[in-house]
Amino acid sequence: AQSVTQLGSHVSVSEGALVLLRCNYSSSVPPYLFWYVQYPNQGLQLLLKYTSAATLVKGINGFEAEFKKSETSFHLTKPSAHMSDAAEYFCAVTSNSGYSTLTFGKGTMLLVSP
Amino acid sequence: DGGITQSPKYLFRKEGQNVTLSCEQNLNHDAMYWYRQDPGQGLRLIYYSQIVNDFQKGDIAEGYSVSREKKESFPLTVTSAQKNPTAFYLCASRQGQAGNTIYFGEGSWLTVV
Repeated sequence: AQSVTQLGSHVSVSEGALVLLRCNYSSSVPPYLFWYVQYPNQGLQLLLKYTSAATLVKGINGFEAEFKKSETSFHLTKPSAHMSDAAEYFCAVTSNSGYSTLTFGKGTMLLVSP
Repeated sequence: DGGITQSPKYLFRKEGQNVTLSCEQNLNHDAMYWYRQDPGQGLRLIYYSQIVNDFQKGDIAEGYSVSREKKESFPLTVTSAQKNPTAFYLCASRQGQAGNTIYFGEGSWLTVV
């Protein structure tokens, strides 16, 4: 079984500030981990993914995430927030075998103020 | 353009009526998925299909049905047995195994009144 916990349903930052969105996972087997972004009334777009190569993963739009096995975490960061980063962000986990499906967290809404 | 097309974008139905949401992909992906999204609940898996003519129940399959007669198509029927069908529905697809990216359509809003 696998699960994802995203701490904070809403996170507010000022433009130019550090963005930190937290994700902790539970998995009985080595995981693959994903971050997706969703803008209002749209589908999800992949930001980045961890598939057991480098533990620090760089994605689109300046985002990155670090896989920490000891902490079972995969937090998403961006050094400087832009207004266009305002969206909902989802962390997801799957096992690293076969054709397993994704399990999503409940999402974190990122609010960016001028 | 390659991608996943969901239709309609907005759909209104009366309680007790079945409704079918369309999902078509031209990515040549083997696997297709249906998720339901409710505010504050994240995405929950309804059904998925790894190959044509085969599909499996996800976490919340009750009140839903699917078919996979063609590789590119995976329609979802929301039946009258679904207790609370008003939601945002997302179709997705993936080629190959777990580490590959799942791609999403733009979603369909279903409102049942």
